[in-house]
Amino acid sequence: NAGVTQTPKFQVLKTGQSMTLQCAQDMNHNSMYWYRQDPGMGLRLIYYSASEGTTDKGEVPNGYNVSRLNKREFSLRLESAAPSQTSVYFCASSFPGARLEQYFGPGTRLTVT
Amino acid sequence: TQLLEQSPQFLSIQEGENLTVYCNSSSVFSSLQWYRQEPGEGPVLLVTVVTGGEVKKLKRLTFQFGDARKDSSLHITAAQPGDTGLYLCAGGLYGGATNKLIFGTGTLLAVQP
Repeated sequence: NAGVTQTPKFQVLKTGQSMTLQCAQDMNHNSMYWYRQDPGMGLRLIYYSASEGTTDKGEVPNGYNVSRLNKREFSLRLESAAPSQTSVYFCASSFPGARLEQYFGPGTRLTVT
Repeated sequence: TQLLEQSPQFLSIQEGENLTVYCNSSSVFSSLQWYRQEPGEGPVLLVTVVTGGEVKKLKRLTFQFGDARKDSSLHITAAQPGDTGLYLCAGGLYGGATNKLIFGTGTLLAVQP
């Protein structure tokens, strides 16, 4: 099994450009998450989807939108990229339940110039 | 805003030494997890603790969840160079419509041979 996959692995954008980060999981998990990781800031939740058909804002949602396309796929869109969105983005998924154990993808390193 | 503070932020030790990493919060969590992350990869789950006072051992790693479920510690005995990485604690918030983790800022561990 591939687990959680993310595309692309690296991306460079100019300010104002848009792009979509793709995430897919093959573990039949209900919940999926998008995080960003910046030096000294740990992982911060952008958006999450507790189940297919629902999405909720996390700690840092401004400038992002998400789509839970189906149970497997959860995409993150930057409509107008800004230098402050330079970061490493991780997608994760988890089974339902209180343990909330998450399985992460390999990440997308995004640079906005 | 829920916060998880990790200490220390950085730790550089010699092979064979012992170390403890702390994770503290004023919030009560339904679960507490520890992840390890290596450069260029996503975090990988090490352990989940769910009961106040719970202690789990994973070879040379000992994890403890505080009695009040607000804090946790990770103790490594006889550290080895293979233990090098970023250690992240994460508190689980579960209930109603909420289903997410709050991550600490991380502890970067370097074990010198």
